Amino acid sequence: EVQLVQSGTEVKKPGESLKISCKGFGYNFITYWIGWVRQMPGKGLEWMGIIYPDDSDTRYSPSFEGRVTISVDKSINTAYLQWSSLKASDTAMYYCARQTSGIDYWGQGTLVTVSS
Amino acid sequence: EIVMAQSPLSLPVTPGEPASISCRSSQSLLHNNGYNYLHWYLQKPGQPPQLLIYLVSNRASGVPDRFSGSGSGTDFTLKISRVEAEDVGVYYCMQTLQSPGYTFGQGTKLEIK
Repeated sequence: EVQLVQSGTEVKKPGESLKISCKGFGYNFITYWIGWVRQMPGKGLEWMGIIYPDDSDTRYSPSFEGRVTISVDKSINTAYLQWSSLKASDTAMYYCARQTSGIDYWGQGTLVTVSS
Repeated sequence: EIVMAQSPLSLPVTPGEPASISCRSSQSLLHNNGYNYLHWYLQKPGQPPQLLIYLVSNRASGVPDRFSGSGSGTDFTLKISRVEAEDVGVYYCMQTLQSPGYTFGQGTKLEIK
């Protein structure tokens, strides 16, 4: 069974750094793109970017380029989303997702709260 | 960036009645391989989104056949033949033609009357 299991809830202060994770199970992790999607409180879905685990080819939505970093450790079937300096406006649920022609599997989400 | 526009944004439906959601894109989603890269998702309350329909009209595994998708180019439609209580949530269309920069529609909230 395909599963994407994300790291747990985070509460951080503005200016802090953060790295959240997404581990894939039940399929050949390195041969499927993994993407990240943001959902701000009470709002819709925003696609952030994707990475191909086998060669770390990474593509960002123009809206998120330079604001986050997507990476992968294929030896442990895990993708990451990280911030170097969080802002209150980064407060959101973040989903990882397996990308084929569309998105076929989603992680359970990681809630990130940034507050002083 | 391809902009996706859904309508309506709110959809109250009586159980057993049909429902329809429109999704329009600012550019054609037709790839030169002949496929339109348009997909539909349902996000039930408190859950991550789930795939309903991929490439316009293909139901994902386990999706009831009361859900169907159609369209081509810039105009797409999701139809539910007979709405059930478990269908409540927010429906999103998504385009994956233009990489990077995939985009979602604003979402359509389906509620039971």
